[in-house]
Amino acid sequence: KNEVEQSPQNLTAQEGEFITINCSYSVGISALHWLQQHPGGGIVSLFMLSSGKKKHGRLIATINIQEKHSSLHITASHPRDSAVYICAVDTDKLIFGTGTRLQVFP
Amino acid sequence: NAGVTQTPKFRVLKTGQSMTLLCAQDMNHEYMYWYRQDPGMGLRLIHYSVGEGTTAKGEVPDGYNVSRLKKQNFLLGLESAAPSQTSVYFCASRREVAYEQYFGPGTRLTVT
Repeated sequence: KNEVEQSPQNLTAQEGEFITINCSYSVGISALHWLQQHPGGGIVSLFMLSSGKKKHGRLIATINIQEKHSSLHITASHPRDSAVYICAVDTDKLIFGTGTRLQVFP
Repeated sequence: NAGVTQTPKFRVLKTGQSMTLLCAQDMNHEYMYWYRQDPGMGLRLIHYSVGEGTTAKGEVPDGYNVSRLKKQNFLLGLESAAPSQTSVYFCASRREVAYEQYFGPGTRLTVT
């Protein structure tokens, strides 16, 4: 069993929809990271959180340490949000999920 | 600041050839990492360094060597390339554990 599981693997949405991507993990962590990778592009850090909730623009990340679960929400999705979203847990090294591929259509 | 840079961006090797990938960061970060990214799999850690002069093995170290002679540079070497090493390689750095990690743009390596 993978230590970091993301769901769904693929997600298609219409512009304006509310998006949720989930991440569950099975190890003790010091923090959890959400990353974004555009097709053929580099990897950008969106959030790092160890408790509660963080918000940046239309993106919101939450974490429940007791449940070992985190969610990434995108409000009012836009085609430019189309990318792969990667969850990674921090255990002194990062352990990565396999990513969620999001496509947002106009 | 350039952040994290990687050289080269693309490379094609024949089986058995050697090469070195260079990662450089200008943020005075202690920790540096080399990952590979393959279709359908998450990023996997090859080697990492927690400071100048130190290196350690990650999840998939076989066939690779690394060196961190200067704090700002982390080199990844392939002594005898194999087709299984065809991948996209990412370097990353951060100040310390539980801090944001900054990624380089990636190197696409094909071994034929």
